[in-house]
Amino acid sequence: DGGITQSPKYLFRKEGQNVTLSCEQNLNHDAMYWYRQDPGQGLRLIYYSQIVNDFQKGDIAEGYSVSREKKESFPLTVTSAQKNPTAFYLCASKEGPSNTEAFFGQGTRLTVV
Amino acid sequence: GESVGLHLPTLSVQEGDNSIINCAYSNSASDYFIWYKQESGKGPQFIIDIRSNMDKRQGQRVTVLLNKTVKHLSLQIAATQPGDSAVYFCAARVGGYQKVTFGTGTKLQVIP
Repeated sequence: DGGITQSPKYLFRKEGQNVTLSCEQNLNHDAMYWYRQDPGQGLRLIYYSQIVNDFQKGDIAEGYSVSREKKESFPLTVTSAQKNPTAFYLCASKEGPSNTEAFFGQGTRLTVV
Repeated sequence: GESVGLHLPTLSVQEGDNSIINCAYSNSASDYFIWYKQESGKGPQFIIDIRSNMDKRQGQRVTVLLNKTVKHLSLQIAATQPGDSAVYFCAARVGGYQKVTFGTGTKLQVIP
């Protein structure tokens, strides 16, 4: 089945630790995105990548890092510099930057304990 | 920039009735709008979209209306079913493809 897969579904992290969230897609999409979702708020863009080996900061990139070494993979690292990391993280992909429909993964819920 | 808001955080509808979910946007340069459905614990799913050169678009049981004069769009769901229960987000794109701003979401509850 083609799709976009995020893992794990639930993740717990101790304060001060970095953690990496996985996002893999087999849709052959060029563009990939990371969003953060908090209760009562819309999705906010963290980072996006239009093509392999390229990525750009979104609206709330501080405390996060990404890499795009392969077309199908766009991992997000939540660093200890992120002040409020507990949230629901969503990865999305599009066929190309100018395409309209984005396909979302099922999300990873990160809890800092 | 762009801000996108929804008029009501929760909407309760009787099964079989029509649902109308509203959304307001702030930037008149927004050229593309999308409605997503998000079920509990899952990622958003694309429902329907509309470009700014249109004022109405219909899908299967759903219709999106766009009023650029008052910067408002709505999602209409016909014959609402229990499976329609979810949070619905509108999103607006201003110019560049990467700048999509999402609203906070309206929770639709379908009463059997």
